[in-house]
Order: sequence, then structure tokens, then C-alpha cells
Amino acid sequence: GENVEQHPSTLSVQEGDSAVIKCTYSDSASNYFPWYKQELGKGPQLIIDIRSNVGEKKDQRIAVTLNKTAKHFSLHITETQPEDSAVYFCAASNFIQGAQKLVFGQGTRLTINP
Amino acid sequence: GAVVSQHPSWVICKSGTSVKIECRSLDFQATTMFWYRQFPKQSLMLMATSNEGSKATYEQGVEKDKFLINHASLTLSTLTVTSAHPEDSSFYICSADKRYRPGFFGPGTRLTVL
Repeated sequence: GENVEQHPSTLSVQEGDSAVIKCTYSDSASNYFPWYKQELGKGPQLIIDIRSNVGEKKDQRIAVTLNKTAKHFSLHITETQPEDSAVYFCAASNFIQGAQKLVFGQGTRLTINP
Repeated sequence: GAVVSQHPSWVICKSGTSVKIECRSLDFQATTMFWYRQFPKQSLMLMATSNEGSKATYEQGVEKDKFLINHASLTLSTLTVTSAHPEDSSFYICSADKRYRPGFFGPGTRLTVL
């Protein structure tokens, strides 16, 4: 089955700097790669996603890149702000029988220092 | 939008009792719903996949007789933790899939078993 590895487990950056979180996946059939932000005591919130037919996607300060050959994808947050502090999870899935079963990475605790 | 709600948001119960958690998709019909559990500082672990009108599919190691799932309609799935014990204390999160777009998460339910 699919296995997703996420690094780093913790990341601390100065406000205004950029943050990069990386994930690798094992199943070449995976075709959907979302990123979630989870604040303490809350459910994960989708912040950006990318499908396997696209190499890069950007939404304001957030971007995701995908390298299918190397089976890795990354989250880039620019001009970080204190409210970006949270735990971020990557995930991968393959559309099987009408349901996309998400496999999550281990999570990255991002701290933005003012 | 795609809003998923969970009820209750938190519950405290005595050991040996059963607890029911509801997951609702408020503004869309969910083709599939998923149940996860998350221990402190850990990632989300998929427990089961739920389709309306059919039996849930449980992940390896998840006891189907202990974690009963009922998917009564395209907008409601329930998870019942039967004969709960302290080791069942966790954060339970559901997610619902829209057609061709997975992973809309609920806010989670924190279960504490005394």
C-alpha cells in the first residue's frame, strides 16, 4: 500500500521568511496530493491540493510542487505570518472504486517566530 | 462550499459505556465518508471507509464490533464506540468526499473515557 513520509517533523522560521515542507510517496499510482493545516483541537483544513497531471500550483502565499518521477511533493509558504503556526499534513491518494483513500504523512509542526 | 459537522465536539464517559458520534455533510451529498482517529501529536489514522447503504470497510487492526459505523444517508454517518475503555480516548475525525473531490474534514470529537 501507499506510504507517505514527511519532513521535517518540526520547523521554526522567522516571520516573513519562507517555509518548505517535503513529502515523498511510494505508490506511483497515487494521483491526488492535498495539504492540510490543523490547529490545536480542530479538524484538518484543506489549504491546497495538486493532481498528478500538474507540476505546480499556487494560491497567494502558498504553493505546491509535484515531481512524479521522484515521487515527492512540497509545500511552500512565503512571507510567513504568526497565524501560519500550526501542524501541516501532506497526504496522497489514488482513486479506487469511487473513493479516494487518503494516506497521511506524519505531520510538521510549524512555528512562526515574531 | 463543503461543510462537515460533527456532534458532539467533546464527550466524557465512564468505562464500559457506549458513545455515538455523528458526522454530517451540511451542504452536499457525500459519496463516501471516512473515520479517523488521532492520538496527541500524531498523524491521522484511517479507521474505516463508509458508503451509504452498505457495510463499512475497516482498516487492518480496527475492531469492527467495537467501532460500529452506520451510514444511513448521503449526509449522515455515525460511529459508535461500544464498551469504551480509557485506551479508546482519542480525537475522532470524520471526512466526507464530494464527487471527484475528497477530504472535507469535520471539526473532530474528543472522547475521554474515565
